[in-house]
Amino acid sequence: QVQLVESGGGVVQPGTSLRLSCSASGFTFGYYAVHWVRQAPGKGLEWLGLASHDGTIQHYAISVRGRFTISRDNSKNTLYLRMDSLTYEDTAVYYCARNWDYVNDYWGQGTLVTVSS
Amino acid sequence: QPVLTQSSSASASLGSSVKLTCTLSSGHSDYSIAWHRQQPGKAPRHLMKVESSGSYNKQSGVPDRFSGSSSGAVRYLTISNLQSEDEADYYCETWDRKSLHVVFGGGTKLTVL
Repeated sequence: QVQLVESGGGVVQPGTSLRLSCSASGFTFGYYAVHWVRQAPGKGLEWLGLASHDGTIQHYAISVRGRFTISRDNSKNTLYLRMDSLTYEDTAVYYCARNWDYVNDYWGQGTLVTVSS
Repeated sequence: QPVLTQSSSASASLGSSVKLTCTLSSGHSDYSIAWHRQQPGKAPRHLMKVESSGSYNKQSGVPDRFSGSSSGAVRYLTISNLQSEDEADYYCETWDRKSLHVVFGGGTKLTVL
């Protein structure tokens, strides 16, 4: 079955960097675009960006452009999110989601990032 | 880019039906949207895609109690025979065709009484 598993979250200090991973299984990873979405505590869903199926194209939300970088390694069935210059406002659960026909149809369970001094 | 507007909350009784709405902003009434359900403490789960025509395509495993429809710029999610597990946050999502950015509605918190 389709599975997406995020990892790499934790407690980090403001101004530091962190890289999240999203490991995929149960489908041909290289056929699909994959997105990152986050959810701050008690808030709604916020789209962060996407990587095209082959990783050659990325799009980012204006709110994170220049600080966040999405990449993927199709040989490892893994998507990455590198986050730089983290602030308290980046505290959230981070989800990866597979995209098919312009729909995020399968989501991971999420990984929590807490920015705290 | 499109804006999706959802009511912040809704409530209905166990066993009854509820119709949630997602309204597309002006100029985007022909956009399709996706509905996702997020139960407390869990990740979102995709339910269905709803087209401007009113047709909808459900994710595998989504019960028959869930259906979609459209009217103008409004996309609907109808849940029949409400169950306790339907108490959740429901989000709609769409794509901006120009920027290829994804947009989410603010979510509707559904309470099952």
